[in-house]
Formats: sequence, structure tokens, C-alpha cells
Amino acid sequence: SAVISQKPSRDICQRGTSLTIQCQVDSQVTMMFWYRQQPGQSLTLIATANQGSEATYESGFVIDKFPISRPNLTFSTLTVSNMSPEDSSIYLCSVESSLGETQYFGPGTRLLVL
Amino acid sequence: DQQVKQNSPSLSVQEGRISILNCDYTNSMFDYFLWYKKYPAEGPTFLISISSIKDKNEDGRFTVFLNKSAKHLSLHIVPSQPGDSAVYFCAASAGSNYQLIWGAGTKLIIKP
Repeated sequence: SAVISQKPSRDICQRGTSLTIQCQVDSQVTMMFWYRQQPGQSLTLIATANQGSEATYESGFVIDKFPISRPNLTFSTLTVSNMSPEDSSIYLCSVESSLGETQYFGPGTRLLVL
Repeated sequence: DQQVKQNSPSLSVQEGRISILNCDYTNSMFDYFLWYKKYPAEGPTFLISISSIKDKNEDGRFTVFLNKSAKHLSLHIVPSQPGDSAVYFCAASAGSNYQLIWGAGTKLIIKP
């Protein structure tokens, strides 16, 4: 299994500002995923981050709004840029198991934008 | 220490029968529990939830049972269908913090 931590666990931000969320894994992993869970909705995949290459974004998500860094095999950051109240959500990172049969999720970062 | 445990990595069930997925937790502060289903290459989909004030919640073919004294919850799917083949995650949170603690998932395989 993999143990994943995220920082911050929660934050309240003003519109127009940016917040960077950190994700740390206790083992080296190739692929890391960033999800968003808006109130009352299921998890939505934002992007897939592979170490050493640009992140791959899902439809509806763009790099200018959600820049991602993946400097090594145990760490990634997601920035929510120029925030608006619509960005209020829970953001989660996850990694695939070594056999690709399941995913492990971080505890999430709860973001409220005023 | 894992606070949410799904001890069965996989489960195989005959189509039409009942599938029972189990989840145990250790933190007595957890008061909200969720089940998610995940297909390969897709994000998890919310299935059903239960708060600690209830011991059962039902939604169509899906029923979640919560046994607070045993710190155990289970998801029942009946009847099981081929489209139910997926990985199922149990998650828990404590209070308004809503920080989710996830289980490792159980891969459910429905046999025709």
C-alpha cells in the first residue's frame, strides 16, 4: 500500500488569489492523479502527472488554471490559480498501486473561496 | 496505521447473487461513511453514504449497513450485475472537517 499526505488539509482563500496543494507519497510511483470533488458531486479527474513529463489534463481543465509540478517520483503539487467561489471543492491526489489494480487516495484538501 | 481497512483485495460473485463488500475502521470519531465505485481509467463514482446516526441506508440495488459497536460497515449489492465489476472504495470522515480517509479498495468481479 501507499501512504499519501496532503498539505494543507483545508484553507479559506480570497477570490483572485492562488493556492498550491502539495501531495507526498511514501514510495516512488510513476503516475499521480489529481481529482476534484465539488459539493454533492463525484470525484472528477483533473489531470494525470507523470514524473519528467508534462501533465495530461482532462477535458474542461487547463494548465493555466491548474498548473501541476512533478519534480520527483514521490511528490507533486497542484496550483489552483486565480480562484473564484466555483473552485470551492475538495482536491485529492492519488496514486496507482504497483500492479495497477487499485488506487490509493490522499486525505484531500478542502478549499473554500470567498 | 490504516484507519480504514478493506481486507479483501478481490471478490468474485456469480451474476444474480448478492455481493457483500466489507470495510472496518479504527477511529471512533468517524461519523460519515461513503462507498465509491471505480472503473479502469476513470475517476471514482460516488455510490452511497451513511451517517453514524443510522445503521442502514438503501438506494436501489445498493444497501450499506453500519455496525458502530463493531466499527464495521458493509455494502450489499443485490442482484449483482456484470456492470458492477469494478473496484469499490470505502471512505470515512470525522465531523465537519470532511477529510476523507480511504480504504485500499476491493476489486469485485461478477461472473456470468
